[in-house]
This record gives sequence, C-alpha cells and structure tokens, in this order.
Amino acid sequence: ILNVEQSPQSLHVQEGDSTNFTCSFPSSNFYALHWYRWETAKSPEALFVMTLNGDEKKKGRISATLNTKEGYSYLYIKGSQPEDSATYLCAFTLNTGNQFYFGTGTSLTVIP
Amino acid sequence: SAVISQKPSRDICQRGTSLTIQCQVDSQVTMMFWYRQQPGQSLTLIATANQGSEATYESGFVIDKFPISRPNLTFSTLTVSNMSPEDSSIYLCSVEQGAGANVLTFGAGSRLTVL
Repeated sequence: ILNVEQSPQSLHVQEGDSTNFTCSFPSSNFYALHWYRWETAKSPEALFVMTLNGDEKKKGRISATLNTKEGYSYLYIKGSQPEDSATYLCAFTLNTGNQFYFGTGTSLTVIP
Repeated sequence: SAVISQKPSRDICQRGTSLTIQCQVDSQVTMMFWYRQQPGQSLTLIATANQGSEATYESGFVIDKFPISRPNLTFSTLTVSNMSPEDSSIYLCSVEQGAGANVLTFGAGSRLTVL
C-alpha cells in the first residue's frame, strides 16, 4: 500500500491570510506529483503537475513546490479569498505504472 | 480538456438496492476510470473501463459488486449493487489526458447515501 499523507486535514483562515499545506509521499519510483482543487458539488480541477525535484509551479495566488528526495510537496495560497474554499488533494504516480495514489485532502475554509 | 457529464449528482438509496451511475465524455477516450471516496478516506480507484473488453478491477473491488459497462468510447456506467450503508460514498468517473505526466479530468461526482 502506497501512503500519501496530507496535513492539516482541515483549516480555517481569515480572508487575506496566507496559508500552506503539505503532501508527503514515498520517494522511491516517483514519477509525478499532482495537486487538485475540489469544490463542493463540482469536479476536482487539476492545479499543478510536477515531475522534477525542485520544481516550483505558480497559478495566480497559488503556488507549489516539490522535493522528490525527501518525498514532500507544499501548496501555498497567498492572500486567501473565500473562493479558495475547497478541498485540496494531492496525488502521485509511479514510474512503474500510471495509477494515481491520492491523499485524503486538506479542507480549506476562508472566512470573509 | 475533455468535459465529463456525470449523473446522478446525488441519491439516497435503500439498503439492498442497486444504482447505476452514468458518465458521458465529450470526446473519444480509450480508458475511463471509476473512483470512490468514502467519508474521511482518500480517492480510491475501483476499476479501469476499456471499450470492447472487461473492466480491470483493483484489489478489493469485484465485478459482482461494481459491474461496469463501456459500450463505446464516450460512455461508461458503474453500478453499485446490493448496497449497504458502507457504500455511502462519492463516486467519480475520470479520464486521463496529456502527454508524459497525464492529468485526470473528472466528472462532478455522484454522492450516494445508503440508508
């Protein structure tokens, strides 16, 4: 069983605050790390996919980093807005197959 | 990217009944994937549906419980059979897109509650 751990499980932040979450994954046979945003009653939406150690990706106020040697990725949200409220999922894939292994997600609530 | 229409979006079901979830993709895809998220758990792959052949099930999932149809390259169904409260979950279909590190595109999910 390949374990992907996300922390925290949930958090509440005030509008305007910056926040970050962690995704930990097994570092052996790594191929790619994915972040998805899942708003209630909507489809999970792909945010980032990263493959190389040290990768950094950015999309507006959201950015992510990747450390494949130690097996973690951070997702950062700068100046959180209520529309950022969602569950953020990470998933990784191995270089030995194409199955996605998901974490349980971090549920973010941004309070206006 | 592909657009996936999934229905029903939610349902409340009685123990022992079966429910079929449908997914329609706006483009032809070779493989479609069915996932489940039980409360507090991670998204878990149930099976991969290939057109023209039987679905491939992951460990812990069997065809009798989760029969899948894939009649063409744009459509698939997943049936949750003989439901029990433990089957209360969000079920999602998805397709893989891209080159290299593929990305999953999902339907909006079907939230099932079994009483």
